[in-house]
Amino acid sequence: NAGVMQNPRHLVRRRGQEARLRCSPMKGHSHVYWYRQLPEEGLKFMVYLQKENIIDESGMPKERFSAEFPKEGPSILRIQQVVRGDSAAYFCASQPPFETGNTEAFFGQGTRLTVV
Amino acid sequence: AQTVTQSQPEMSVQEAETVTLSCTYDTSESNYYLFWYKQPPSRQMILVIRQEAYKQQNATENRFSVNFQKAAKSFSLKISDSQLGDTAMYFCAFLKHTGNQFYFGTGTSLTVIP
Repeated sequence: NAGVMQNPRHLVRRRGQEARLRCSPMKGHSHVYWYRQLPEEGLKFMVYLQKENIIDESGMPKERFSAEFPKEGPSILRIQQVVRGDSAAYFCASQPPFETGNTEAFFGQGTRLTVV
Repeated sequence: AQTVTQSQPEMSVQEAETVTLSCTYDTSESNYYLFWYKQPPSRQMILVIRQEAYKQQNATENRFSVNFQKAAKSFSLKISDSQLGDTAMYFCAFLKHTGNQFYFGTGTSLTVIP
């Protein structure tokens, strides 16, 4: 089991470009979460997805940000027309189905986005 | 809404000594989970220890133990016999029993001094 895989690890974008961050959850996990970590801060929830469904996007900015978790392939966090304030580390976490009773979330190593 | 507060931005401890990191939280939920995560310079978030609110017994994982005071909404982490590899950011986190998201504190940067 390779764990939660995020790529790229580092991403540099110019203002106005698009950033696409990918996350492959652990095998057997059906829940994916995206968090953002600004410098000197804790992780802030952005969005929670299950396969083909957005369950809770209350933490995601209404504009420029979108997320998906298709039936096949990784979850994608997309940021359009990036601005300097989007520079942060973006973490993905996955959990097994709640019916298993296992609440542990496994985190990827994050993608550090730098907007120049 | 849930909030998690870590009031110690930075702490240091001598190698082999014991250190306690503080965490308080606010919630109206009666059933929930509390966690301590470690984030070393590699940025990987590593689960240190987990506590279920309905269990009165404090969780323990080797050198790591918690002091869970439900009435006071306090959840401190004790690290015994500190090792250099314990140097990291430590985040306290809250999860509702039926919750979809973790609520994290702002972290405590721990440095173990040789």
